[in-house]
Amino acid sequence: NAGVTQTPKFQVLKTGQSMTLQCAQDMNHEYMSWYRQDPGMGLRLIHYSVGAGITDQGEVPNGYNVSRSTTEDFPLRLLSAAPSQTSVYFCASSYSQDHNEQFFGPGTRLTVL
Amino acid sequence: GQSLEQPSEVTAVEGAIVQINCTYQTSGFYGLSWYQQHDGGAPTFLSYNALDGLEETGRFSSFLSRSDSYGYLLLQELQMKDSASYFCAVSHGQNFVFGPGTRLSVLP
Repeated sequence: NAGVTQTPKFQVLKTGQSMTLQCAQDMNHEYMSWYRQDPGMGLRLIHYSVGAGITDQGEVPNGYNVSRSTTEDFPLRLLSAAPSQTSVYFCASSYSQDHNEQFFGPGTRLTVL
Repeated sequence: GQSLEQPSEVTAVEGAIVQINCTYQTSGFYGLSWYQQHDGGAPTFLSYNALDGLEETGRFSSFLSRSDSYGYLLLQELQMKDSASYFCAVSHGQNFVFGPGTRLSVLP
């Protein structure tokens, strides 16, 4: 099992550009989520999904969209990048919303100029 | 809203025992988790408490008191590789809220 994979590992954008961060898991997990982590801080939940076709907002959803067309994939879209979105983005998955062990991907380090 | 508090830094020597505290305020509470994150790495799950009491997993133990909205992570027989950031996280329904993290430095 590859676990949770994320691409790209690094990305530099200009203000106003859009892009999609990819996340995939091969553990047949129902629950998937996206977090951002700013320097010296904890993780903040952006969006989450409890299963294919179901998504919901977390703590900091503005400027981001998600979709969940399959169990395996949970892409995060930045609609119009802003410097405030410079951060490290982690995707995570767990067996279900009631299963508290989350498995994290390696992260995407995003810089918006 | 939800908020969690942890000490920002803790320092201990190799072989010692260290306790990292976490207090939380949340409108709903299912349980308290702990994660470890090395510099440049991804968080990895350590433990979870849904009920009051102590959970032990090898050198690591985690404690929860729901009435006090308080928990801690206990690390025994510290090793250099334990130098990392440790995060507590509250789960309430489908949401997870992470604390700001505690940076543990283990000295030789």
